[in-house]
Amino acid sequence: GENVEQHPSTLSVQEGDSAVIKCTYSDSASNYFPWYKQELGKGPQLIIDIRSNVGEKKDQRIAVTLNKTAKHFSLHITETQPEDSAVYFCAASIPGNQFYFGTGTSLTVIP
Amino acid sequence: GAVVSQHPSRVICKSGTSVKIECRSLDFQATTMFWYRQFPKQSLMLMATSNEGSKATYEQGVEKDKFLINHASLTLSTLTVTSAHPEDSSFYICSAAVRASNEQFFGPGTRLTVL
Repeated sequence: GENVEQHPSTLSVQEGDSAVIKCTYSDSASNYFPWYKQELGKGPQLIIDIRSNVGEKKDQRIAVTLNKTAKHFSLHITETQPEDSAVYFCAASIPGNQFYFGTGTSLTVIP
Repeated sequence: GAVVSQHPSRVICKSGTSVKIECRSLDFQATTMFWYRQFPKQSLMLMATSNEGSKATYEQGVEKDKFLINHASLTLSTLTVTSAHPEDSSFYICSAAVRASNEQFFGPGTRLTVL
């Protein structure tokens, strides 16, 4: 089955700096890669996703890049703000199948 | 669009009782719903996948007789934790998906505490 690894497990950045979280996957058949933000006591919220036919996608301060050959994808958050502090999960999936989640990254943005 | 609700958001029960958690897709028809369990500071662990009108598929190690899942309609799935014990205390999250689509839409979660 699919195996998704996520690094780092914790990340602290100064407000205004950029944050990068990286994930690798093992199954070349995976073609959908969402990123979720989870605040304490709440369910995961989709913040951005990318499909395997695209190399990069951007939405305001958030961007995701995908390298299919190397089987890794990354989340980039620019101009971080304190409200970006949360746990971020990456996932990989095959159409119609379950999500395989990374282990999560706890991001702290220091004002 | 694509809103998923869960009820209750928080429940405390005594050991030995059963608890039912509802998951609803509010503005779309979900052919598949997933139930996850999450312990503090850990990732989401898939418990089972349910398709409307058929039996749920449970992940290895998840007791189907303890965690009863019903997906009776395209907008509602329920998870019943039977004879709950303190070790069942956790954060339970559902998600809903449309057939042939990759996307899953997550509910806000239910915090279960078994005393």
